[in-house]
Amino acid sequence: QKEVEQNSGPLSVPEGAIASLNCTYSDRGSQSFFWYRQYSGKSPELIMSIYSNGDKEDGRFTAQLNKASQYVSLLIRDSQPSDSATYLCAVRHGQNFVFGPGTRLSVLP
Amino acid sequence: EAGVAQSPRYKIIEKRQSVAFWCNPISGHATLYWYQQILGQGPKLLIQFQNNGVVDDSQLPKDRFSAERLKGVDSTLKIQPAKLEDSAVYLCASSLEGGGYTEAFFGQGTRLTVV
Repeated sequence: QKEVEQNSGPLSVPEGAIASLNCTYSDRGSQSFFWYRQYSGKSPELIMSIYSNGDKEDGRFTAQLNKASQYVSLLIRDSQPSDSATYLCAVRHGQNFVFGPGTRLSVLP
Repeated sequence: EAGVAQSPRYKIIEKRQSVAFWCNPISGHATLYWYQQILGQGPKLLIQFQNNGVVDDSQLPKDRFSAERLKGVDSTLKIQPAKLEDSAVYLCASSLEGGGYTEAFFGQGTRLTVV
């Protein structure tokens, strides 16, 4: 069974700080990695995808991938209260698309 | 571009009753997924279709759940009979294809409550 693990949180950060969300995966052959944001009572919304080792930046979001360590992270700079949500890590290997349990982020005003 | 459409948004049924959910994927998306998300957990894949063929249904409780995707477009997920533990949000997602580097996009989900 391919697994994706995340700290469930909650992770609390003050407004304006950097939030760091982490994800590890078990399948070394995984090809692509995604971060979804899910507000309470809503469906997951894709915010970032990353396929190669290193960093990928999009606005206040930076995804980092280290395939050797089987680790992917999401940094949110200048965190805002509107960033408070659950962040889901998803990993694709071939036809399989597996989600982690999510990390709940709370940004305190 | 229209997103993934699901209906109904909410459903309350008694245990042992049956229920069906409908999903219309993004136009042109060959792959369709049904996920079950229990409160506080990540989405769990129930079944994945590539066009109208099943790619993965290893976690589908086949004694009570069934799904079909006739003509490779719309899909229906059915539960019969429902149990209390089936209370969850049922999410439909679609992607252009099933592998490689393609992203998946979700519908709004159907929140099922079994009482």
